[in-house]
Amino acid sequence: QVQLVESGGGVVQPGRSLRLSCAASGFTFSRSAMHWVRQAPGKGLEWMSFISYDESSKYYADSVKGRFTISRDNSKNTLYLQMNSLRTEDTAVYYCARVGITIFGVVINFYMDVWGKGTTVTVSS
Amino acid sequence: DIQMTQSPSSVSASVGDRVTISCRASQGISNWLAWYQQKPGKAPKLLIYAASSLQSGVPSRFSGTASGTDFTLTISSLQPEDFATYYCQQANSFPITFGQGTRLEIK
Repeated sequence: QVQLVESGGGVVQPGRSLRLSCAASGFTFSRSAMHWVRQAPGKGLEWMSFISYDESSKYYADSVKGRFTISRDNSKNTLYLQMNSLRTEDTAVYYCARVGITIFGVVINFYMDVWGKGTTVTVSS
Repeated sequence: DIQMTQSPSSVSASVGDRVTISCRASQGISNWLAWYQQKPGKAPKLLIYAASSLQSGVPSRFSGTASGTDFTLTISSLQPEDFATYYCQQANSFPITFGQGTRLEIK
């Protein structure tokens, strides 16, 4: 079945780095654009980043631009989020999500039809 | 950035009730809107995309409408499993933005 599994979360001190991974299975990952979305404790959803299927397009939220980098390895069916210069406000559950909705045969990059269960990142001294 | 404003922030209802949740975009987004359901400790689930298209496997008691920059999610007859938090999301442009969420509670 279609599945996304995040990993790499943990407790890290402010200013340090962490790399999250999202392992995909059950679908053709190399043809799917992907997103990262986070949710701070008790808060709503916050979109983080997007990457096209071939890495030709990448977008970031202003809150992480210049600190976070999205990438993918299609040979490993894995999505990554490299997080540098972490701040306490980056504490959240991080979800990866697939772009999988087409309308009249056109992939719509903004809809997220499959989500992982999330990995928790805690930034604290 | 496009701001998405949901109302109400929370609503109490009973099984069998009809419930509507509203979402307003700060600028025109045509029908580029999605609704998600999230239960505590779980990932969000896509319910509706393109303002009114039901995602595969989602019960038909869920529906969405659009009028200008105003969008509505309607649950026609609440079931016990529908008690959750609902988010709208604009799908018009980057950065993607979500509404603040509407918590649907049992009365």
